[in-house]
Amino acid sequence: ETGVTQTPRHLVMGMTNKKSLKCEQHLGHNAMYWYKQSAKKPLELMFVYSLEERVENNSVPSRFSPECPNSSHLFLHLHTLQPEDSALYLCASSLILTDTQYFGPGTRLTVL
Amino acid sequence: AQSVTQLGSHVSVSEGALVLLRCNYSSSVPPYLFWYVQYPNQGLQLLLKYTSAATLVKGINGFEAEFKKSETSFHLTKPSAHMSDAAEYFCAVSYSNDYKLSFGAGTTVTVRA
Repeated sequence: ETGVTQTPRHLVMGMTNKKSLKCEQHLGHNAMYWYKQSAKKPLELMFVYSLEERVENNSVPSRFSPECPNSSHLFLHLHTLQPEDSALYLCASSLILTDTQYFGPGTRLTVL
Repeated sequence: AQSVTQLGSHVSVSEGALVLLRCNYSSSVPPYLFWYVQYPNQGLQLLLKYTSAATLVKGINGFEAEFKKSETSFHLTKPSAHMSDAAEYFCAVSYSNDYKLSFGAGTTVTVRA
């Protein structure tokens, strides 16, 4: 695997389910990001980790819970989501916080 | 606050014609500027970036962009469109000491045969 990978690519969940999104980067980067891409809206930065420490929590509801166990992996734990949370969730990584960000293919999430 | 404006949410061009996508930023501080492309059902791919080394930046797939400080613009061009250029294109801005990328709303390009 190369670059930034995300699993699953598609996820359908009910409002009472608990699921997790996984991101893995194979670039030797030290910073990782979660973005939300909703239809007709600019990308929204959700969370940022640098060297496994969270440096940004951009007013994201607590039903989204990130986890960064090491510099190569990033998770987004989901619970009791709302239909308006349906979106494409993109993971990105960069060598350091201020460097160019490289994106994964995204997870298309549908909340029923 | 930094912001990015992409003029035109949708651009349609004929195959072989010039592609021109417009991006303007609002800032008094010289920014870093990026163009990303998103193909259907995929994530964002970096096309090119401006980091003050040269005002004309060449990217992948034959795209280039020119930084014009006086116009606060960073328009993306490609001389001859190919069918494979059909995608959504995003302009983004950040600053040297800030990891936060501000994205434009995106421009969808369709290419007519």
